[in-house]
Amino acid sequence: ETGVTQSPTHLIKTRGQQVTLRCSSQSGHNTVSWYQQALGQGPQFIFQYYREEENGRGNFPPRFSGLQFPNYSSELNVNALELDDSALYLCASSFRRAGVGDTQYFGPGTRLTVL
Amino acid sequence: GENVEQHPSTLSVQEGDSAVIKCTYSDSASNYFPWYKQELGKGSQLIIDIRSNVGEKKDQRIAVTLNKTAKHFSLHITETQPEDSAVYFCAASKNDDKIIFGKGTRLHILP
Repeated sequence: ETGVTQSPTHLIKTRGQQVTLRCSSQSGHNTVSWYQQALGQGPQFIFQYYREEENGRGNFPPRFSGLQFPNYSSELNVNALELDDSALYLCASSFRRAGVGDTQYFGPGTRLTVL
Repeated sequence: GENVEQHPSTLSVQEGDSAVIKCTYSDSASNYFPWYKQELGKGSQLIIDIRSNVGEKKDQRIAVTLNKTAKHFSLHITETQPEDSAVYFCAASKNDDKIIFGKGTRLHILP
């Protein structure tokens, strides 16, 4: 167990709806990264949050947004859901210091199905 | 753009034999190469990682080798056991920021 938790475990939404996924980082970590894993693919980087600010973003549209809270937990929000958003969403926590990150530890993921 | 290629996509080996998974990366600035094991319902578990200042690292039955010149790195599992059956992902990153993953290798350990 990595100590990284995500909620909910599973979620079903319809096209056009909005969704919020949550992640609690491992104790002592200050950075959270979010990844999208489509079926049969490797995870793809969405964005990273460090000290409550976005610290790098992958090739995802603005309807994917996030937040990091003072306790370093994080949310991923997706607006105007599309069928292709159906995937496993993974968060990973790590410790960042002096501009350099450390090993990322993944949570179990949230399985999102968009109908 | 940055890319990690992983082969094979599926691998079946007899229990007790060795398994090798190979990856290549495109960004020469990558300096950190983790390997993750993904089992259904268990998320992605870091099994071993290697940094660019090291050519090889071993942890019990698992070893990883890195050739920075060729931009290749490989995972070796010896004396495979049924619990090694899973999907394995190689990955590359710079300073442990954005991780670029391969597409995964489904490893089957045959009895």
